[in-house]
Amino acid sequence: EVQLVESGGGLVKPGGSLRLSCIGSGFTFSSYSMNWVRQAPGKGLEWVSSISRGSDYIYYADSMKGRFTISRDNAKNSLYLQLNSLRADDTAVYYCARGLNDIVHDAFDIWGQGTMVTVSS
Amino acid sequence: EIVLTQSPATLSLSPGESATLSCRASQNVNRYLAWYQQKPGQAPRLVIYDASNRATGIPARFSGSGSGTDFTLTISSLEPEDFAVYYCKQRGEWPATFGGGTKVEI
Repeated sequence: EVQLVESGGGLVKPGGSLRLSCIGSGFTFSSYSMNWVRQAPGKGLEWVSSISRGSDYIYYADSMKGRFTISRDNAKNSLYLQLNSLRADDTAVYYCARGLNDIVHDAFDIWGQGTMVTVSS
Repeated sequence: EIVLTQSPATLSLSPGESATLSCRASQNVNRYLAWYQQKPGQAPRLVIYDASNRATGIPARFSGSGSGTDFTLTISSLEPEDFAVYYCKQRGEWPATFGGGTKVEI
């Protein structure tokens, strides 16, 4: 079964840091671009970041540039998102999602169940 | 960035009826538009990609059309499991952007 499983969410104080992880299984992880999307409570979807298969191409939403860092380890079938300088408006469910094909800017065909990040003092 | 405007915000329909959802882009995105379905407490699910291609496992009652700036998702005969929120997303330009969503409710 093709699957993505996120972990690493939790409660963090403003200004704090957190590292999210996403492990893929049931497919050749290194053959696909990977992405992070978030959803604040009761709100819509917001694209966060994308990374190409070999990490050659990386993109961020402007509001996250300089604070968030996406990375991947294909040997471990893993995707990461380092969250720094967190703010209250970063509170959201963070989803990892697989790109449909091998290009970095693509539709997202497989999604994880999400991990909740709460930024509060 | 490209802004996607979805309408209507809410669509109230009954099972068996047809649903037509609209997504309008502020700039040309060619056919690089996808539709996602999200049910409460669940992750989104890809329904349509590149304007008119059904994703794996999506029933034929779902169809997508459009190009440039105007796109439509049609659900020909609503089944109970189709009631959800639908989002459009463009990949015509960075950054990728999502529309605000259309809730299809009973």
